[in-house]
Amino acid sequence: GENVEQHPSTLSVQEGDSAVIKCTYSDSASNYFPWYKQELGKRPQLIIDIRSNVGEKKDQRIAVTLNKTAKHFSLHITETQPEDSAVYFCAAPYSSASKIIFGSGTRLSIRP
Amino acid sequence: DGGITQSPKYLFRKEGQNVTLSCEQNLNHDAMYWYRQDPGQGLRLIYYSQIVNDFQKGDIAEGYSVSREKKESFPLTVTSAQKNPTAFYLCASRPWTGGGNTEAFFGQGTRLTVV
Repeated sequence: GENVEQHPSTLSVQEGDSAVIKCTYSDSASNYFPWYKQELGKRPQLIIDIRSNVGEKKDQRIAVTLNKTAKHFSLHITETQPEDSAVYFCAAPYSSASKIIFGSGTRLSIRP
Repeated sequence: DGGITQSPKYLFRKEGQNVTLSCEQNLNHDAMYWYRQDPGQGLRLIYYSQIVNDFQKGDIAEGYSVSREKKESFPLTVTSAQKNPTAFYLCASRPWTGGGNTEAFFGQGTRLTVV
């Protein structure tokens, strides 16, 4: 079926440590994998994305890795800070890329 | 601020009444989407539209209806057939390049409460 599985559902890390969130998808034709951050009471916003022709992309403390063979991709946040506390969603396109399916979200908490 | 506007921000509805949520974008995006978010839950797709006068059901379309008469507008009607309509509703849009690899922009959401 068309789904995106995301783990873990909650994650608590010490400030300064790294956080990793993982997603798997089912459609081998999917070619675009975005990550969104949603702060409390706000709209989701894109923080990083990766296309299927690369295996890794970095943007300062945030990186995304993609394994097309295994159909999974991961978000890595290094040197976590309090403002990283939020809910993070992965997503993947389905049905000839017109449909966007989101993962169930990961609530990340940064402990001081 | 993204150019996609949802209204109203908060909406109260009596049981048995239909209600329409507005979503307007001035980004010239082809594709538009409606998602439902329940507390502590992910984003579930209700309906989506790739072009004007065409739309498709998502995973939880029952009890909802949409129209796409104009490129910039994609209103969602929550009908009385929706058994549990209280939720946070998010509208999104994105350019359609044919490859699907474009960022989606979200509106600020409408919180619907059935009283």
